[in-house]
Amino acid sequence: GENVEQHPSTLSVQEGDSAVIKCTYSDSASNYFPWYKQELGKGPQLIIDIRSNVGEKKDQRIAVTLNKTAKHFSLHITETQPEDSAVYFCAARISAYSGAGSYQLTFGKGTKLSVIP
Amino acid sequence: DTGVSQDPRHKITKRGQNVTFRCDPISEHNRLYWYRQTLGQGPEFLTYFQNEAQLEKSRLLSDRFSAERPKGSFSTLEIQRTEQGDSAMYLCASSLGPQAFFGQGTRLTVV
Repeated sequence: GENVEQHPSTLSVQEGDSAVIKCTYSDSASNYFPWYKQELGKGPQLIIDIRSNVGEKKDQRIAVTLNKTAKHFSLHITETQPEDSAVYFCAARISAYSGAGSYQLTFGKGTKLSVIP
Repeated sequence: DTGVSQDPRHKITKRGQNVTFRCDPISEHNRLYWYRQTLGQGPEFLTYFQNEAQLEKSRLLSDRFSAERPKGSFSTLEIQRTEQGDSAMYLCASSLGPQAFFGQGTRLTVV
């Protein structure tokens, strides 16, 4: 099955700096890659996603890049703010739209981001 | 609130007891998922429904676990004869397209 590795496990940045979280996946058939933000005591919140036919996607201060050849994808947060502090999870899935895939997401172990004011 | 709703938010039970959790998905979402999350880990897939049909089950879903979605709307997850290892956050998610949206979860503590 799919295996997703995420690093770093913890990341501290100064407010205003950029943060980068990286993930690698094992199954070359994976073609959908969402990122979730989870605050303490809450469920994961979808913040951005990317499909394998796109190399980069941006939404305000958040961007995701995908390198299918290397099987890795990254989350970039610019101009970090204290409210960005949370645990971030990457995930991968083989889209069922291909007819042979699955709807289950395989998650990384998470990155705890701390933004220091 | 039109998000995914889970009930209860917290549950403490004694080992050996049965527990049942409920999930109300986002209206009109035909797909519903259950995940389990332990401390310091990412969510792990348990099972998936499309409408009322349970189409995928993880090996994590032992025979003590059963999930239903009888009318293709809300879903229940039951754990029989709970064990301490069942202590975790149980998350429900729903989707219409590829994007899955999670509820706040049910925190289960087995004592």
